[in-house]
Amino acid sequence: AQTVTQSQPEMSVQEAETVTLSCTYDTSESDYYLFWYKQPPSRQMILVIRQEAYKQQNATENRFSVNFQKAAKSFSLKISDSQLGDAAMYFCAYRSRTGANSKLTFGKGITLSVRP
Amino acid sequence: GAGVSQSPSNKVTEKGKDVELRCDPISGHTALYWYRQSLGQGLEFLIYFQGNSAPDKSGLPSDRFSAERTGGSVSTLTIQRTQQEDSAVYLCASRFRGSNTEAFFGQGTRLTVV
Repeated sequence: AQTVTQSQPEMSVQEAETVTLSCTYDTSESDYYLFWYKQPPSRQMILVIRQEAYKQQNATENRFSVNFQKAAKSFSLKISDSQLGDAAMYFCAYRSRTGANSKLTFGKGITLSVRP
Repeated sequence: GAGVSQSPSNKVTEKGKDVELRCDPISGHTALYWYRQSLGQGLEFLIYFQGNSAPDKSGLPSDRFSAERTGGSVSTLTIQRTQQEDSAVYLCASRFRGSNTEAFFGQGTRLTVV
């Protein structure tokens, strides 16, 4: 079974600064997806960024980028130029690319606060 | 609708009562998931529907929990004889067929058992 670990329960960043959220995972599969989801107080999970394991290039979406280290099974999220609206819970998630059940396996999440 | 819709948004029930939570997925999405999010915890997988295939119920925590999906669209999660430990946010997500498609989540139902 796959597991996702987010060991930092909380982080804080100054507005306009850069912050990195850590995530590690465990799997015996070679083909999978990794995701970062944002959950604001509204509770709705929003996809921030996605990485396909077969791609060596790190995914980037505007101010959000990842550092994907497949051998180390590490998948960190970097938020540049942090904004007040980035304050939320962030979840790292894993999904197999093959198999009948492509459920998402989540970490426990990290609460990010942004200081003005 | 444009997104995944869940109802009710909040539900308070007495211990021992049955509750039904509803999820309307995005039209055309064949995959539907239910997750439970307890306070301060990550998302716990409950059940997964994919088209006409038998659902994966491996995440249901007890036989008090059941779910169905009618006509490949709307899904209902039923919790019988609710307990206080059932208090959580229940999230539904749907996804179009295909391995590279993303899951879209509803806003969840916050269930409080008193």
